[in-house]
Amino acid sequence: GAGVSQSPRYKVAKRGQDVALRCDPISGHVSLFWYQQALGQGPEFLTYFQNEAQLDKSGLPSDRFFAERPEGSVSTLKIQRTQQEDSAVYLCASSLSEREAFTDTQYFGPGTRLTVL
Amino acid sequence: RKEVEQDPGPFNVPEGATVAFNCTYSNSASQSFFWYRQDCRKEPKLLMSVYSSGNEDGRFTAQLNRASQYISLLIRDSKLSDSATYLCVVNWGGNNRKLIWGLGTSLAVNP
Repeated sequence: GAGVSQSPRYKVAKRGQDVALRCDPISGHVSLFWYQQALGQGPEFLTYFQNEAQLDKSGLPSDRFFAERPEGSVSTLKIQRTQQEDSAVYLCASSLSEREAFTDTQYFGPGTRLTVL
Repeated sequence: RKEVEQDPGPFNVPEGATVAFNCTYSNSASQSFFWYRQDCRKEPKLLMSVYSSGNEDGRFTAQLNRASQYISLLIRDSKLSDSATYLCVVNWGGNNRKLIWGLGTSLAVNP
């Protein structure tokens, strides 16, 4: 079946520009996660949705970052007034369960590589 | 102490070698542990979960030591295709689904 998809795969933005990154999770997956991965680093948690509810946004680095999942499926991560330090790969992951299942496997999309000039 | 710590490597080993990676975590309340594999410029993929009793999947063995707060990954008879970065991942305990990721350990298996 189809996995997690993300678009665009690559985005080049000028400093100060707003960007929107899209994630299509696996159909039926309740949980959705956004991560930021800088070069040579592991993924850093940004935010988590259970259906349309954003249950944790503690990892968002500033108020320029905003995420939504209005219908509980597709999610958008928006970055306003991009800065050079926002350059990274933004990964989206989904998992099936809505229970407190700490062993849920997270399935990742290919990521969006954002470069801010 | 970092939340999740790994030796970044790189580990360069010949084909057929056995190689082991360790990972330490700082939160004693952590409940779930995973090893993910990430190929260059690709997304992470789950390699295996780590259970208290230890678990094995073919050439891969994962172990958990709660007392010392570390997990390990052993790869036997390494293949060229095992070359990748191996990420240690720890669930941060309680109801929190937040996963804390290590920086990853780079493995290069050479012919």
